Amino acid sequence: DAGVTQSPTHLIKTRGQHVTLRCSPISGHKSVSWYQQVLGQGPQFIFQYYEKEERGRGNFPDRFSARQFPNYSSELNVNALLLGDSALYLCASSRYRGNTEAFFGQGTRLTVV
Amino acid sequence: EDQVTQSPEALRLQEGESSSLNCSYTVSGLRGLFWYRQDPGKGPEFLFTLYSAGEEKEKERLKATLTKKESFLHITAPKPEDSATYLCAVQSFTGNQFYFGTGTSLTVIP
Repeated sequence: DAGVTQSPTHLIKTRGQHVTLRCSPISGHKSVSWYQQVLGQGPQFIFQYYEKEERGRGNFPDRFSARQFPNYSSELNVNALLLGDSALYLCASSRYRGNTEAFFGQGTRLTVV
Repeated sequence: EDQVTQSPEALRLQEGESSSLNCSYTVSGLRGLFWYRQDPGKGPEFLFTLYSAGEEKEKERLKATLTKKESFLHITAPKPEDSATYLCAVQSFTGNQFYFGTGTSLTVIP
């Protein structure tokens, strides 16, 4: 079975631009969560989506938004990029909303210049 | 507030030299404690979930244990391929997100 897939793997953007990151969960998994990992730190929670609805939001500004599609894939959007948004963005897939086992994709490395 | 602290930040071991990594946590009702392995530039790889104090799980050279305040990841006779960052995370019953520690960077020297 395919694992969690994220695209693109690497991305370079300029300050002020907008970016869209994509995630396809494991087949049969209905919950997708997004995390930001800055170099040297643990992942920080951004959003959780389950059955196409937002079920949780971390302490991130409104420039960050996301959505989940009927096939359970998800997009993370970031507007007005700042240098500090440079990070590894991780998508985690789990079977249910409260399911404790989450599996991560390889991440998207975003560099803002 | 849910919180996770991992120690040490970095650990260098000779091949075959066993040791333990620590994860101390504060959580309002533990739903689960998780260990992940992360290689540079990659996503975290799931290792273990522990649900209650006293629980233990093993996988090859790794063994995870859980008490009411902390978890240990024991590494027995490590090999160079065990070199990675090991992340600990907790999930509470009041929310669905994971709270991660900053990880322990393990280097195993041949």
